[in-house]
Amino acid sequence: EDQVTQSPEALRLQEGESSSLNCSYTVSGLRGLFWYRQDPGKGPEFLFTLYSAGEEKEKERLKATLTKKESFLHITAPKPEDSATYLCAVQDGSSNTGKLIFGQGTTLQVKP
Amino acid sequence: EPEVTQTPSHQVTQMGQEVILRCVPISNHLYFYWYRQILGQKVEFLVSFYNNEISEKSEIFDDQFSVERPDGSNFTLKIRSTKLEDSAMYFCASTGEGWTEAFFGQGTRLTVV
Repeated sequence: EDQVTQSPEALRLQEGESSSLNCSYTVSGLRGLFWYRQDPGKGPEFLFTLYSAGEEKEKERLKATLTKKESFLHITAPKPEDSATYLCAVQDGSSNTGKLIFGQGTTLQVKP
Repeated sequence: EPEVTQTPSHQVTQMGQEVILRCVPISNHLYFYWYRQILGQKVEFLVSFYNNEISEKSEIFDDQFSVERPDGSNFTLKIRSTKLEDSAMYFCASTGEGWTEAFFGQGTRLTVV
């Protein structure tokens, strides 16, 4: 069964304090790994899709990396507006529908 | 920028009533999905829809649920007889060929009382 586990559950950072969020996954064959940002009461906002080990993608202060077992979302010099819940999701290569299996998320709070 | 639109943003209904949640996916997308998120829990897959039929459904998606694409733009989720445990945020999502980027709507908060 596909599983996605994110750690930590919650993270508090001071503005400018860089850190990383972890997403560990178990799938029969990874088609893609997705990162989303979710603000309270809102829908997930697409950030990145990674497809193969060694791949990296960047967007502003965020960089996502992928290995065969996990993905990291690195946040460099975060600002208060980066506070949100970050969701990781996988697409199983055996599925022919593109459905996503989500982790429980990491809630990030950045204090000024 | 194209976006997935959901209506209503919040719906309160009595237990046993039927509700229809509506979505307008991104216009050139081909694959459509419903997910739900119970407060404080993971986002869970409900159903996928392609070429005017269900392509996959989860265990949650029982006979009380149905989906429809009544015209070229709308995608709906119907719950026939709502239960208290159906209270959740319901998200519609769509993606194009290759499922490379899945975009979500802002959600409908369903409260069953």
